[in-house]
Amino acid sequence: DVVMTQSPLSLPVTLGQPASISCRSSQSLEYSDGNTYLNWFQQRPGQSPRRLIYKVSNRDSGVPDRFSGSGSGTDFTLKISRVEADDVGVYYCMQGTHFPPTFGQGTKVEVK
Amino acid sequence: QVQLVESGGGVVQPGRSLTLSCAASGFRFNGYAMHWVRRAPGRGLEWLAVVAGDGNEKYFRDSVKGRFTISRDNSRNTLNLQMNSLSADDTAVYYCAKEDGGHSQIDSWGQGTLVTVSS
Repeated sequence: DVVMTQSPLSLPVTLGQPASISCRSSQSLEYSDGNTYLNWFQQRPGQSPRRLIYKVSNRDSGVPDRFSGSGSGTDFTLKISRVEADDVGVYYCMQGTHFPPTFGQGTKVEVK
Repeated sequence: QVQLVESGGGVVQPGRSLTLSCAASGFRFNGYAMHWVRRAPGRGLEWLAVVAGDGNEKYFRDSVKGRFTISRDNSRNTLNLQMNSLSADDTAVYYCAKEDGGHSQIDSWGQGTLVTVSS
């Protein structure tokens, strides 16, 4: 299975400041069709996950533009340009390029 | 609007079985592959199984292969997960999730149902 490694696992943030989460895969996530099937999900406390980003850098409908995704191959990043209180929760990367789909361990974002 | 509503969770004794259901609405159910994913207490998300839109192809993670069965009833817009020989390690919130565009591109999740395996 492809191992997805996130860092940091805990991210204390100051409201209004930027935040960044790294996700590294044990194999390249570029598929033979040229796409890279790397998603980012947000799970707020007590809620189900919500997809923020698909195929590395595409924001889902309704996702604020302060969220952005980047990367290629085995190295990916989720950035929040200015953290808001609503952003507290656990963030997961997930790959769908290789079977079975696998998630990172999760990064807990909390306000300092 | 996509809605996925799980049911069937509860407390079950080790070694027993339980079946979860997911009622889907707001989209053409038979056109999309559907997944089950769980989150155990203090742990991250773990993918479990997927079934194709027509129900003909099914895949499982190794640790539940042979114990869990995924099925769907496209006439009732319902997804099921039958879980046998449950152990404490299966204690988790179970989510059904909709895929869009292949490659496990999950775009919608249910609210989850809690399964607790305990004597």
